[in-house]
Amino acid sequence: KQEVTQIPAALSVPEGENLVLNCSFTDSAIYNLQWFRQDPGKGLTSLLLIQSSQREQTSGRLNASLDKSSGRSTLYIAASQPGDSATYLCAVLGPSYDKVIFGPGTSLSVIP
Amino acid sequence: EAQVTQNPRYLITVTGKKLTVTCSQNMNHEYMSWYRQDPGLGLRQIYYSMNVEVTDKGDVPEGYKVSRKEKRNFPLILESPSPNQTSLYFCASRIRGLAGGQETQYFGPGTRLLVL
Repeated sequence: KQEVTQIPAALSVPEGENLVLNCSFTDSAIYNLQWFRQDPGKGLTSLLLIQSSQREQTSGRLNASLDKSSGRSTLYIAASQPGDSATYLCAVLGPSYDKVIFGPGTSLSVIP
Repeated sequence: EAQVTQNPRYLITVTGKKLTVTCSQNMNHEYMSWYRQDPGLGLRQIYYSMNVEVTDKGDVPEGYKVSRKEKRNFPLILESPSPNQTSLYFCASRIRGLAGGQETQYFGPGTRLLVL
């Protein structure tokens, strides 16, 4: 059964720092991995999606990498801003192409 | 505007009183899904639907029903709600896709349910 974990559970950094969030999954037979952002009391916003055949995706200050063989993905946030404060979730699709398994999330706080 | 809508956004009910949470998407997506989010447990999939009249259980289907009579709608039904179903519920949709894994999920704003 696929299990997804995220480290750290919480992170507090001063504004301007670069940071890395980690996501691990136990079954490498995935179709894609998606990173989401969730603000308190709000829904999920998709940040980046990496297909199983890809190694990384970039959007602005965000870069996500995927290493299927080791069951790991990282989300790199450059030059963090207070507006980046939120919970970040990773989710894997597969291996049956229909079920989605979420990690527990990393709560990020960027201090001005 | 492409979106997934849910109604109601907030609901307080009592044990045993049947309720339905509606979900609708305007993106012509084949795949729709329901999740619940609980502190310490994260997001867990309840049911999903690959297309009209095709539904299947996720990881926590007990106590829930769904139907998919139209492509745009995927209601979640709680026939006899219990306090352990108090949670934050999300509906999501995406294209089904044939291969390649390009299917971004789009989420609704959530429905906060309290069962007394």
